[in-house]
Amino acid sequence: DTGVSQNPRHKITKRGQNVTFRCDPISEHNRLYWYRQTLGQGPEFLTYFQNEAQLEKSRLLSDRFSAERPKGSFSTLEIQRTEQGDSAMYLCASSSTSGASYEQYFGPGTRLTVT
Amino acid sequence: DAKTTQPNSMESNEEEPVHLPCNHSTISGTDYIHWYRQLPSQGPEYVIHGLTSNVNNRMASLAIAEDRKSSTLILHRATLRDAAVYYCILSVSAGGTSYGKLTFGQGTILTVHP
Repeated sequence: DTGVSQNPRHKITKRGQNVTFRCDPISEHNRLYWYRQTLGQGPEFLTYFQNEAQLEKSRLLSDRFSAERPKGSFSTLEIQRTEQGDSAMYLCASSSTSGASYEQYFGPGTRLTVT
Repeated sequence: DAKTTQPNSMESNEEEPVHLPCNHSTISGTDYIHWYRQLPSQGPEYVIHGLTSNVNNRMASLAIAEDRKSSTLILHRATLRDAAVYYCILSVSAGGTSYGKLTFGQGTILTVHP
């Protein structure tokens, strides 16, 4: 297993366009998390899934953001009508609730630039 | 979420020990203390975690104060590859296994000099 993967790694879009990012977690992990990170700040939690159920969503998350994990495997994060303030690194992480696994494993992130 | 306070930056020389402090005076009894680090242009990476007792693993040691209001991450011999942002995070255990969201602060930027 090569770890958590995210695609694309970079995305440049014009303000007002919709974008979708994909995250493939470590295969046996049932939890999947999305975070957003702006320059000089720590990652900010957006939402997380256990299997296909979305268990928590940040109150700061705009209605323009939606995430899915339809079969409990990969996840997509969609941003509608992008704004310049959406420019950030979007990080995905996964973890397992079985055994004594405490770690969240992060992917390399998708860097979004809204022009 | 209980908050943590860390110095903005610290410096060390290669092959010397590094002690990274974290204050968490509002910690509750169910909060675990986690440390993650983020190397340049990478996602965060788990380092270590603990509840009450000091912990050791291959990467680092975690020393937890008796009142749990502070902790220290110890890198025994810093290398250039340890230069990163180190985050101290509190998270509530969910049944003793994994956890929900991680609430990151700004972390401590560690610079290691050759």
